[in-house]
Amino acid sequence: AQSVTQLDSHVSVSEGTPVLLRCNYSSSYSPSLFWYVQHPNKGLQLLLKYTSAATLVKGINGFEAEFKKSETSFHLTKPSAHMSDAAEYFCVVSGFYNFNKFYFGSGTKLNVKP
Amino acid sequence: EAGVTQFPSHSVIEKGQTVTLRCDPISGHDNLYWYRRVMGKEIKFLLHFVKESKQDESGMPNNRFLAERTGGTYSTLKVQPAELEDSGVYFCASSQTLGLGQGRQETQYFGPGTRLLVL
Repeated sequence: AQSVTQLDSHVSVSEGTPVLLRCNYSSSYSPSLFWYVQHPNKGLQLLLKYTSAATLVKGINGFEAEFKKSETSFHLTKPSAHMSDAAEYFCVVSGFYNFNKFYFGSGTKLNVKP
Repeated sequence: EAGVTQFPSHSVIEKGQTVTLRCDPISGHDNLYWYRRVMGKEIKFLLHFVKESKQDESGMPNNRFLAERTGGTYSTLKVQPAELEDSGVYFCASSQTLGLGQGRQETQYFGPGTRLLVL
């Protein structure tokens, strides 16, 4: 069965410092993986996706994630946090029998301090 | 291009009442999904339409929930009668159907959600 674990429910960083949001997945196949972000009172916005091409995936707003099969991880990083990055981030894995069925992690709330 | 829209943005009802949520997908998207996030839990899949047909409704919690997509455009999700545990945020998403050989790359575009509170 597919599942996603986001290791931190809350992460707090200072503006200008690096961001690391951790995600581990469980899957018996090579999955498609996504990171979505939700700003307050907004819909979920796609940051980036991995679909078995390059293992280092670049997304919007300077975010990137690296697919590591040996570690079953798909951590999200950004070199320098901006105040506008404060939001909730979701790691998502697609299903196997129904790849349209998304499995979400529990979310990580990112706080950016001035 | 307009994104996925949902109506209402908020709804407060009493236990036992009926509520209907509406989702308008991105124009031309055959796939439409409903998800739900109850307080303190992760976002969970409810069901998936391809045009007007239910492709997968494995996540629907019980028969108090009825989803429809007549004509393959907008969709409604009705909860009747509502219970306290139905409170949460209901998200709708839509995606295109990709051609063969393009792999599992269907990006789902989400709406802002409907916040439902059952008292």
